[in-house]
Amino acid sequence: DAKTTQPPSMDCAEGRAANLPCNHSTISGNEYVYWYRQIHSQGPQYIIHGLKNNETNEMASLIITEDRKSSTLILPHATLRDTAVYYCIVIGNTPLVFGKGTRLSVIA
Amino acid sequence: DAGVIQSPRHEVTEMGQEVTLRCKPISGHNSLFWYRQTMMRGLELLIYFNNNVPIDDSGMPEDRFSAKMPNASFSTLKIQPSEPRDSAVYFCASDAASGANVLTFGAGSRLTVL
Repeated sequence: DAKTTQPPSMDCAEGRAANLPCNHSTISGNEYVYWYRQIHSQGPQYIIHGLKNNETNEMASLIITEDRKSSTLILPHATLRDTAVYYCIVIGNTPLVFGKGTRLSVIA
Repeated sequence: DAGVIQSPRHEVTEMGQEVTLRCKPISGHNSLFWYRQTMMRGLELLIYFNNNVPIDDSGMPEDRFSAKMPNASFSTLKIQPSEPRDSAVYFCASDAASGANVLTFGAGSRLTVL
């Protein structure tokens, strides 16, 4: 029961912005959009989350469309260390369910 | 803060043996989660606790799996008897507030059952 759709893989040049899209057309009013990433051989790492407003922290920005049916995670200046699988998760007050995510490769 | 601490980091055992994985959550976090990751099935939620009480264990694959949280600073995931298909990386995570979903994951325990 996939609530999100993400491209399986993306490439990004080092130093450029990485824009990772996520479609969640069936999102409910009380569900948040969460982004996590998993660097090879490590546990998943929380990045950011939002309900309907755009959010920014030290790691990334999250842009949510006005109809909330899609969002974009932006890494403003990607580095090689940002190479990872990025998970977009739509969830309410229940535990996280991880899909397949997007494998982002940052290329020198 | 040392983060979520899991042990052992690697375990190799033979089919039929008992396996115990351990987790120490971040102090003050009151929710704890056990996930399993395989290439075939990805990350799966096995069980989670709030304030040391198991809330949902519907992800536990079989009766061979059991999890306990005797106090706020310790949890175990036990597999008895182990089978080759249990080979996976098992992650423990903790969350400061129930339902917040801002999880901190441990480094994982890689289990290989021969």
